Amino acid sequence: SYELTQPPSVSVSPGQTARITCSGDALPKKYAYWYQQKSGQAPVLVIYEDSKRPSGIPERFSGSSSGTMATLTISGAQVEDEADYYCYSTDSSGNHRGVFGGGTKLTVL
Amino acid sequence: EVQLVESGGGLVKPGGSLRLSCAASGFTFSNAWMSWVRQAPGKGLEWVGRIKSKTDGGTTDYAAPVKGRFTISRDDSKNTLYLQMNSLKTEDTAVYYCGYSSGWYVDYWGQGTLVTVSS
Repeated sequence: SYELTQPPSVSVSPGQTARITCSGDALPKKYAYWYQQKSGQAPVLVIYEDSKRPSGIPERFSGSSSGTMATLTISGAQVEDEADYYCYSTDSSGNHRGVFGGGTKLTVL
Repeated sequence: EVQLVESGGGLVKPGGSLRLSCAASGFTFSNAWMSWVRQAPGKGLEWVGRIKSKTDGGTTDYAAPVKGRFTISRDDSKNTLYLQMNSLKTEDTAVYYCGYSSGWYVDYWGQGTLVTVSS
């Protein structure tokens, strides 16, 4: 089955740039999406179609994708950005089944 | 404002059945693709399945672990999404989220309902 691979954890100091990667064989042909999930809350979409930002998401969140790797970048990370981040995409089957990465715990301190 | 409210979670024995509901408001439900995603305690997100709008065929797709046991359906007259879960296993224990999808992904999420499968 198709898998997306993320690092388990990333740690930065406030104001630094955090980068979270997501690798998957189908990413050259499929969009990547990113979700933020704070403790005890439902996920929130922060990036869609590789690099687009939904309304209400701060500009410090950006996304990119090249080859088999997608990257979520948080420029000038804030303490409130501390959360679990999940990448998401679809597999190469004709049914476009969804797949989540394992998640990355971002620590900002 | 998009609102999604899940209900129907609870404790069920292995092999049992449960039906979850998701009441939707704030958007044209009949035009929406809808999804279910689950999260086992302390674990990551897992895609469960989706149902397309009737105008797009109303077809369903499922993740391999639930295919043949879970069924997603919708009642557009009630703006409600359902997840019928049969032959439940302990590994199905999770918070189940419903999601509004404008495409192949989830745009908005409900707050989730907890399903516990235990004897």
